[in-house]
Amino acid sequence: ELKVEQNPLFLSMQEGKNYTIYCNYSTTSDRLYWYRQDPGKSLESLFVLLSNGAVKQEGRLMASLDTKARLSTLHITAAVHDLSATYFCAVEKANFGNEKLTFGTGTRLTIIP
Amino acid sequence: NAGVTQTPKFRVLKTGQSMTLLCAQDMNHEYMYWYRQDPGMGLRLIHYSVGEGTTAKGEVPDGYNVSRLKKQNFLLGLESAAPSQTSVYFCASSPFSGKNTIYFGEGSWLTVV
Repeated sequence: ELKVEQNPLFLSMQEGKNYTIYCNYSTTSDRLYWYRQDPGKSLESLFVLLSNGAVKQEGRLMASLDTKARLSTLHITAAVHDLSATYFCAVEKANFGNEKLTFGTGTRLTIIP
Repeated sequence: NAGVTQTPKFRVLKTGQSMTLLCAQDMNHEYMYWYRQDPGMGLRLIHYSVGEGTTAKGEVPDGYNVSRLKKQNFLLGLESAAPSQTSVYFCASSPFSGKNTIYFGEGSWLTVV
């Protein structure tokens, strides 16, 4: 059974600081997705990582994937209040498609002015 | 651009009542999904469909039924609602399986009393 763990579960940080959210998973996979969810809203796709060593950046967010370590990171640079949200990683089980996505429990990020 | 639309957005049911959640997508996607989200947990797949006329069980299918009579619609039914089915339900769709983004609806908040 594929298990996906995120840490930390809660993160409160000051504006302007850098931090990293970690996503570990338990079985072979080379497909990982990051989503953002604002309170009471739907999930918005941030990144799709499809190979070992994949790195993608959008604004102050950068995501990477290390399939050998079974680890993805979401790095936040110089945080701003607008980045406050819950971030989910989701891992696609090898040899299956989206129907075998397993989501992490989420990291609730709060940026303090 | 409507994307994925869910109705209703909010509903309160009494234990034992039945109801249907409707999901509609206008992106001509083949795959559609129903997830539930509970506090402190990631999304869990209830049922999914790989095309018109097909359905399959996900991770937590018990107590739910689905139908995909038209490509653009995916219905989730609760035949006899239980308090354990109090949750936020998300419908989603994707063009095909794997290596691509899943697009989520805005969620349906269901409370069973």
